[in-house]
Amino acid sequence: KAGVTQTPRYLIKTRGQQVTLSCSPISGHRSVSWYQQTPGQGLQFLFEYFSETQRNKGNFPGRFSGRQFSNSRSEMNVSTLELGDSALYLCASSPGAGTEYGYTFGSGTRLTVV
Amino acid sequence: AQSVTQLDSQVPVFEEAPVELRCNYSSSVSVYLFWYVQYPNQGLQLLLKYLSGSTLVKGINGFEAEFNKSQTSFHLRKPSVHISDTAEYFCAVSPLGYALNFGKGTSLLVTP
Repeated sequence: KAGVTQTPRYLIKTRGQQVTLSCSPISGHRSVSWYQQTPGQGLQFLFEYFSETQRNKGNFPGRFSGRQFSNSRSEMNVSTLELGDSALYLCASSPGAGTEYGYTFGSGTRLTVV
Repeated sequence: AQSVTQLDSQVPVFEEAPVELRCNYSSSVSVYLFWYVQYPNQGLQLLLKYLSGSTLVKGINGFEAEFNKSQTSFHLRKPSVHISDTAEYFCAVSPLGYALNFGKGTSLLVTP
């Protein structure tokens, strides 16, 4: 059974640009969540999607957005990149909405903003 | 609001010795509790979770954790560690299914 796939694995972008990250969940999983991991702030929740609807959103500026498609694949977008957006972005999938199912995480996309 | 405190940022231990990674939390509502492990250059893997019921929870790879409501703790234990257990361990709380709120992590270093 394939795991959670995140693409690309590594990205280097320039300040002011925008970026789109992709996440393919485990087959049959309908919920996708995104987390940002940095050395200073640790792991922080970005948003959760279930059946193409944003179910929850963390405390991030509007430059961070996401969406989920009918096949449960998800994308997140960051516009007007700042140096502080450099981080490992982790996607997690689960069979249903909510954390009680336990998440399966992908290996992440490491974004470097220069 | 919820907060999670992992009391040790680093825990060195010898192979085959027991280990305890400590986690305290605060919350004004009932929470679910989790432990995740992250190996270098990988995502997080669920070790175990507490939703309700028995306060002693057994997980994968020989790990277990005990929920203590009065002390608001959820410490992770393993009776005998292996070199391969070297990794970063994260405790997380979730207010009844809402997003995971992670601690800062504990780096477990197992040496021969």
